[in-house]
Amino acid sequence: DAKTTQPNSMESNEEEPVHLPCNHSTISGTDYIHWYRQLPSQGPEYVIHGLTSNVNNRMASLAIAEDRKSSTLILHRATLRDAAVYYCILSDSWGKLQFGAGTQVVVTP
Amino acid sequence: NAGVTQTPKFRILKIGQSMTLQCTQDMNHNYMYWYRQDPGMGLKLIYYSVGAGITDKGEVPNGYNVSRSTTEDFPLRLELAAPSQTSVYFCASSSRPGGGNQPQHFGDGTRLSIL
Repeated sequence: DAKTTQPNSMESNEEEPVHLPCNHSTISGTDYIHWYRQLPSQGPEYVIHGLTSNVNNRMASLAIAEDRKSSTLILHRATLRDAAVYYCILSDSWGKLQFGAGTQVVVTP
Repeated sequence: NAGVTQTPKFRILKIGQSMTLQCTQDMNHNYMYWYRQDPGMGLKLIYYSVGAGITDKGEVPNGYNVSRSTTEDFPLRLELAAPSQTSVYFCASSSRPGGGNQPQHFGDGTRLSIL
């Protein structure tokens, strides 16, 4: 299974953008790139996903490199509620997700 | 909207006991998944189902069993509880992922301790 590499943690000031990088050099042509986040004591929450093109939704933007070997999740204006563990995951054709350790995002007021 | 509902929220078991973790979803999703999450770690897939009557093993299936008799329900069975099964268990569902790879919707989890 293709795996992803993320930094262990990142810090941001409130109301500033946060750019979360993810490397997935062994991605296959049919793998989708998913991002989920998990707040303390809660289940994971879907953030965004994409295949080849950049994607935007109300929560975030996903920028995918042209060779698809890396991607970046962009939180445009971090709030205290965005403090969570963010997981970058490659999803196979069955929709199975293989979670890594994720990136702990700390937001400072 | 109820989404994915897991019961119980907390449970303490003795070694060797059995129990069933319940999961139900009201979104008419074909795909359902069971994960476990150990402290400080990411989630690991235990079993998944692509529809009623069809199940398959994930990454860590040993010590667990599942069944899928209806679209809505996907219970997870622990037959002989062991301390290594102490974990938080999450159930998730998604619509058919083909043609767009749909996101998964997660329940709030069941916190299970085996002593």
